[in-house]
Amino acid sequence: AQSVTQPDIHITVSEGASLELRCNYSYGATPYLFWYVQSPGQGLQLLLKYFSGDTLVQGIKGFEAEFKRSQSSFNLRKPSVHWSDAAEYFCAVVAGGTSYGKLTFGQGTILTVHP
Amino acid sequence: EPEVTQTPSHQVTQMGQEVILRCVPISNHLYFYWYRQILGQKVEFLVSFYNNEISEKSEIFDDQFSVERPDGSNFTLKIRSTKLEDSAMYFCASKRGSNTGELFFGEGSRLTVL
Repeated sequence: AQSVTQPDIHITVSEGASLELRCNYSYGATPYLFWYVQSPGQGLQLLLKYFSGDTLVQGIKGFEAEFKRSQSSFNLRKPSVHWSDAAEYFCAVVAGGTSYGKLTFGQGTILTVHP
Repeated sequence: EPEVTQTPSHQVTQMGQEVILRCVPISNHLYFYWYRQILGQKVEFLVSFYNNEISEKSEIFDDQFSVERPDGSNFTLKIRSTKLEDSAMYFCASKRGSNTGELFFGEGSRLTVL
């Protein structure tokens, strides 16, 4: 069965520092991968997705992620973090199905940004 | 920007009571979903709905749960007889088509069962 692991439950960085959030997946076929962000009191917002093609994917808010099949990873990066990036981040993989809407999520990484 | 809206934002209920969580998906979307997140745990898929019927459901989605699209705009999740372990944040989501497009989530409804 498919699974997603986010090894870091909580990460703290200083504003302006670079960021990398880790995500490892387990899935037998070619994965469709996503990163979502949830700010307090908000829904889940899609940051970026990977389906095929270029393994370096650009998203919104200056985020990017790199798909590495050999490492079963899809890590999220940002070169310079802003205080408004403080939120919870979820990695997810499509768990099959016919409509690409059935996702398996990781447990999330809470990002705290210090001024 | 169109969005998925959910009501109520928070509901407190007694064990054994029926609860209905409501969602208004984005108007031209055709695929609808419910997910839930128990505090401290992962977001989990519950059910997907298309063309007025359930297309997939997880093992969590037992006979206590049902979904309905009673009119052209609302999409509801009913829990017939709530248990303590149903306490969670419930997310509604919708999608335009069956391709690899974006899944749009609502802000969630927090259910607390006492």
